[in-house]
Amino acid sequence: QQQVKQSPQSLIVQKGGISIINCAYENTAFDYFPWYQQFPGKGPALLIAIRPDVSEKKEGRFTISFNKSAKQFSLHIMDSQPGDSATYFCAASREQGAQKLVFGQGTRLTINP
Amino acid sequence: KAGVTQTPRYLIKTRGQQVTLSCSPISGHRSVSWYQQTPGQGLQFLFEYFSETQRNKGNFPGRFSGRQFSNSRSEMNVSTLELGDSALYLCASSLWGGNYGYTFGSGTRLTVV
Repeated sequence: QQQVKQSPQSLIVQKGGISIINCAYENTAFDYFPWYQQFPGKGPALLIAIRPDVSEKKEGRFTISFNKSAKQFSLHIMDSQPGDSATYFCAASREQGAQKLVFGQGTRLTINP
Repeated sequence: KAGVTQTPRYLIKTRGQQVTLSCSPISGHRSVSWYQQTPGQGLQFLFEYFSETQRNKGNFPGRFSGRQFSNSRSEMNVSTLELGDSALYLCASSLWGGNYGYTFGSGTRLTVV
């Protein structure tokens, strides 16, 4: 019940295209869903996060779509750029108390110029 | 402001030895969490400290331990190292906990030979 499943494992997108990464969770108590971006040699960096009271959140070219009934959420990167090439992790946790983040397995995104 | 600082960046140890890793959080952050990152298992939660108290612990053997000092700096210790402990160990700090956004350090790359 603590798992977060992420797909695909790797993704190649042409410059200017839309990158879509999907995640699914089991624990209905989760109520905080962040996405992290990691470049080689660096730690993950918080990209964007959503709470289940909204179905979509947009920040620049990055959008999270959230489907509470299906227990799924996804990251959309519009107008993908070569600088977006990185590994992306979705995560989930419970807001109340000292709750850990449960991470998906990661998606290695490559944007071809 | 300065980010999360982890030292050392790289470490090579022999099986059976012990190791101590250090993490200095962002000034003012009281929560420090540790994660282990491996290609096979992804990002796995080790433990979280808040105001010198361990608030949460992941599913790791007792060989993995940590502590937090009054200035919020944290250390983690791994005793009797095994080959499988080779990983990137990431420290993340937050004002109150992961649900308010972690800032990760660049990690300590531990290699056990």
